[in-house]
Amino acid sequence: EDKVVQSPLSLVVHEGDTVTLNCSYEVTNFRSLLWYKQEKKAPTFLFMLTSSGIEKKSGRLSSILDKKELFSILNITATQTGDSAVYLCAVYEGAQKLVFGQGTRLTINP
Amino acid sequence: DADVTQTPRNRITKTGKRIMLECSQTKGHDRMYWYRQDPGLGLRLIYYSFDVKDINKGEISDGYSVSRQAQAKFSLSLESAIPNQTALYFCATSDFPGTSTQETQYFGPGTRLLVL
Repeated sequence: EDKVVQSPLSLVVHEGDTVTLNCSYEVTNFRSLLWYKQEKKAPTFLFMLTSSGIEKKSGRLSSILDKKELFSILNITATQTGDSAVYLCAVYEGAQKLVFGQGTRLTINP
Repeated sequence: DADVTQTPRNRITKTGKRIMLECSQTKGHDRMYWYRQDPGLGLRLIYYSFDVKDINKGEISDGYSVSRQAQAKFSLSLESAIPNQTALYFCATSDFPGTSTQETQYFGPGTRLLVL
C-alpha cells in the first residue's frame, strides 16, 4: 500500500528559529514529491522535487529529495509568525495519483 | 477571480439527505480531483477525472458519486449523507501533461460539510 509519512506531526518554535520538516514515502512507482503549505483552507503549492540531491529554494524555504532513502526534508530558516501553517507532503505514484501525508502543524511563537 | 471555485463553502445537512458539492475551474485543465480532509489523516482521494468522459474511483469512493458535466465542472454527490462524512472537501485541477513533464495540482478553497 502506498504510504507517505510526515514527522513531526506538530512543532512549536520561536520566531527566528530554523525548522526541518520530514517526509518519508513508500510508493509503487515514484514520479515526484510535492510540498504544500495550508494556512486556512486550500493548500498552496511550494515545491516539486523529482531528482535526488537537487535543492529547491524559495526565499527562506528550501527542500531536497533523497530517492535512495525515500525521504524529503523541508527547511525554513529565520522563521516568522506568518510561517505558521500545516505543511503537507504528497507523492505522485505510477497511477498518476497524489498520495498525501498527514501534515505537520507548525506554530511560530513571537 | 479565483481559478478554482467551490460551492457551497459551508453546508450543514442531516443524515440521509442527498447533497451535491460543485467545483468549477477557469484554468482550462483536463484533470480534476475531489479530496476530503479529516484531522490527522491528511488529504484522501475520493474520485478523479482525466477528461470529460473519464471517471475513476480514488481511495475512499464508497458513499460518493461524481459527475463531470463539462471540462470546467466536476460535481461530488453524497447520495445519503452520514455523520462520518463530516469533513473538509477540496476540489483540485491540473493541466498535465500540458507543457510540463510533471504534474502539479491546484486546489479550490474547500467546502466544509457537517452532517448531523
